[in-house]
Amino acid sequence: EPEVTQTPSHQVTQMGQEVILRCVPISNHLYFYWYRQILGQKVEFLVSFYNNEISEKSEIFDDQFSVERPDGSNFTLKIRSTKLEDSAMYFCASRAVTGLIVLTFGAGSRLTVL
Amino acid sequence: DQQVKQNSPSLSVQEGRISILNCDYTNSMFDYFLWYKKYPAEGPTFLISISSIKDKNEDGRFTVFLNKSAKHLSLHIVPSQPGDSAVYFCAASRNFGNEKLTFGTGTRLTIIP
Repeated sequence: EPEVTQTPSHQVTQMGQEVILRCVPISNHLYFYWYRQILGQKVEFLVSFYNNEISEKSEIFDDQFSVERPDGSNFTLKIRSTKLEDSAMYFCASRAVTGLIVLTFGAGSRLTVL
Repeated sequence: DQQVKQNSPSLSVQEGRISILNCDYTNSMFDYFLWYKKYPAEGPTFLISISSIKDKNEDGRFTVFLNKSAKHLSLHIVPSQPGDSAVYFCAASRNFGNEKLTFGTGTRLTIIP
């Protein structure tokens, strides 16, 4: 079954450092998303991306965050200068344009900011 | 901002019996609802969805019921199996799924053999 692949599975970084989380969505999907889950809290929407631009973003997704689809397969989330409160599990998701509207999620990247 | 609420953080059910997980929402603009299951160290896995034009959707052992007037949905799993033990998230969206998903806090279901 096709799956969304995320790397790294766990990243530890110092506060103020830049972090890039990588995702390979399902190959025929054209909508891409980032969500995050802080430990003990609910899964929260960050951003959606379609046709090479952001289609929707939350108030969490401030100027410190950016997304990019640098080639035909990868979708990345960059955090420019990490803060302690950015520590969370970050989930990438993708979905097809047609058919049942269902997001397929990756296994997540755990980010720990020290 | 608790637009989607799952008031039971945990639920234990005997194997073979029915599991009923509940979800309430406050935003009347939501018109598409999904249930996801999550195992530790994995991402959420889609189970079943329902749009607001229906009040019931069934897929094998899983049935979702939607009560729009009460802004309530429920997931029924019957019969429950040990592999169903996981955290279950309810999620809601506007524009029939074309906008962001808003998740509930999850219910941890434990199936007792």
